[in-house]
Amino acid sequence: EPEVTQTPSHQVTQMGQEVILRCVPISNHLYFYWYRQILGQKVEFLVSFYNNEISEKSEIFDDQFSVERPDGSNFTLKIRSTKLEDSAMYFCASRGLAGGLIGELFFGEGSRLTVL
Amino acid sequence: AQSVTQLDSQVPVFEEAPVELRCNYSSSVSVYLFWYVQYPNQGLQLLLKYLSGSTLVKGINGFEAEFNKSQTSFHLRKPSVHISDTAEYFCALSNSGYSTLTFGKGTMLLVSP
Repeated sequence: EPEVTQTPSHQVTQMGQEVILRCVPISNHLYFYWYRQILGQKVEFLVSFYNNEISEKSEIFDDQFSVERPDGSNFTLKIRSTKLEDSAMYFCASRGLAGGLIGELFFGEGSRLTVL
Repeated sequence: AQSVTQLDSQVPVFEEAPVELRCNYSSSVSVYLFWYVQYPNQGLQLLLKYLSGSTLVKGINGFEAEFNKSQTSFHLRKPSVHISDTAEYFCALSNSGYSTLTFGKGTMLLVSP
């Protein structure tokens, strides 16, 4: 069964360092998302991406964050200068064509980011 | 603004007992409602969804949920749980088929023998 894969599963970094989280969405999907969950809090939407551009982003997704689809398979989230409060589990998700199953996002296993 | 509230952070239950995980929502427009499950060390997986029509929705693994518009609730139920149902369960909503999902904080279901 096709799945969304994320790497790394866990990354520890020093405050101020740049971090790149990688995702390989399901191959025929066109909509891509990043969500995060700070420990003990809600899963929060960060950004959605379609047709090689950001289609929607939340207030959390400030200038420190960026997303890219550098090739036909990867979808990356970059945090330029990490802060302690960026420590969270980051989930990548993808969805198929418009008109497909409404709301059915397929999620990866998550990348846990710990900022020291 | 819309929101999802899952009042119970943890629900302990014995195997073969029934369980209900509560979800309440707030939205000024029509909603689509979802339950996702996250098993240990895995990603979020769709359990079931309510889009329209019958308010009782059946999902995978014997779970079902009932949409109650007057009470703005979408509680998840299973008549008899298994050890393997131990997981975190997330309620979520969206306002359209293509808008983003708003999640609740999640409820950890702990099934013991």
